[in-house]
Amino acid sequence: AQTVTQSQPEMSVQEAETVTLSCTYDTSESDYYLFWYKQPPSRQMILVIRQEAYKQQNATENRFSVNFQKAAKSFSLKISDSQLGDAAMYFCAYRRRDNTDKLIFGTGTRLQVFP
Amino acid sequence: DAGVTQSPTHLIKTRGQQVTLRCSPISGHKSVSWYQQVLGQGPQFIFQYYEKEERGRGNFPDRFSARQFPNYSSELNVNALLLGDSALYLCASSFWAGNTIYFGEGSWLTVV
Repeated sequence: AQTVTQSQPEMSVQEAETVTLSCTYDTSESDYYLFWYKQPPSRQMILVIRQEAYKQQNATENRFSVNFQKAAKSFSLKISDSQLGDAAMYFCAYRRRDNTDKLIFGTGTRLQVFP
Repeated sequence: DAGVTQSPTHLIKTRGQQVTLRCSPISGHKSVSWYQQVLGQGPQFIFQYYEKEERGRGNFPDRFSARQFPNYSSELNVNALLLGDSALYLCASSFWAGNTIYFGEGSWLTVV
């Protein structure tokens, strides 16, 4: 069975600084997807970034980028130029490359952003 | 365009009662999935329906059931409610199963 582990329950960063959130996962499959979702107080899960395992290039979306280390089964999220609006819960998630929408989530990291 | 919409937003039920939660996917999306998020944890997959057929089921008891209608909206039913069923129930939709998944804002269920 696949598992996702987020070992940082809470992180904090000052506005305009850079922060990295960690995620490790376990799977025996070679092709899959990895995601970072943001959950603000409104509770809606918002997709931040997506990585396809067969792609070696790390995904980037504006201020958000990932460091995907397939051999180490590591998938960290880097937020550059942090903004107050980045404060939220961040969840790492795994999905098999099949025709299902089953996401396996980690326990989340609460990110605080200080002015 | 409207996103994934869920109703009700909040509800309180008594142990042993039954509850029905509703979800309307994004227009054009044919796949709907349901997740349970207990406070302090990540969401757990309950069900997925695609083209009105069950595509996947998580590790939840038979008290949990769901269905998808011809217009692709979906209902999640939970019978014989337990205190442990108190959670945020998230609905998500995608254009086709395996595509990018979009979430609604959830339905908060409190069982007393």
